[in-house]
Amino acid sequence: EAAVTQSPRSKVAVTGGKVTLSCHQTNNHDYMYWYRQDTGHGLRLIHYSYVADSTEKGDIPDGYKASRPSQENFSLILELASLSQTAVYFCASSDQGAAETLYFGSGTRLTVL
Amino acid sequence: TQTVSQSDAHVTVFEGDSVELRCNYSYGGSIYLSWYIQHHGRGLQFLLKYYSGNPVVQGVNGFKAEFSKSDSSFHLRKASVHWSDSAVYFCAVSLTGYQNFYFGKGTSLTVIP
Repeated sequence: EAAVTQSPRSKVAVTGGKVTLSCHQTNNHDYMYWYRQDTGHGLRLIHYSYVADSTEKGDIPDGYKASRPSQENFSLILELASLSQTAVYFCASSDQGAAETLYFGSGTRLTVL
Repeated sequence: TQTVSQSDAHVTVFEGDSVELRCNYSYGGSIYLSWYIQHHGRGLQFLLKYYSGNPVVQGVNGFKAEFSKSDSSFHLRKASVHWSDSAVYFCAVSLTGYQNFYFGKGTSLTVIP
């Protein structure tokens, strides 16, 4: 069965610190996504990638970087974490982008203090 | 502004009742419409998807959704809910030629045993 795993499951970070969220998929999918979920909001796209060594900006990329070193791995990097980045972050993969189903990881709950 | 609107933030029903979760969108052109379910503390899971053809789409676990172009809607229905259907349900739109999925804010369904 398709699998997307995220680490860590939860993290507490200090304002101004660096945070790296990791995502690994065994689906052999080309597309990977990072979304954030805030209470009362739907999911919003931060970055996505359709091939290794390339990333694209989503709707809310400010304050975030992404890295796709291989087809299986996709990281989200907060160079200078801020209070406003407290949220739940979801990684997802899909085979051919918008036409296909998204497979989600279980999420990372990030709290910035 | 292109949007996905889920008009009900919370819906509460009794086990065995029927339920309709509403989704309206304002995107033009060729789109994919999907529903996802999120159980507490978990990632989103795919329920069903529509692109063309029969406007009534059957999904997993007895869920179905009906597309209406005239109403710009894609409402999710289930004839007889079970307590395990309690979750948050997200409607999503994706556009052909683009790689983003746009999510509504979600509807929290509570099924009282």
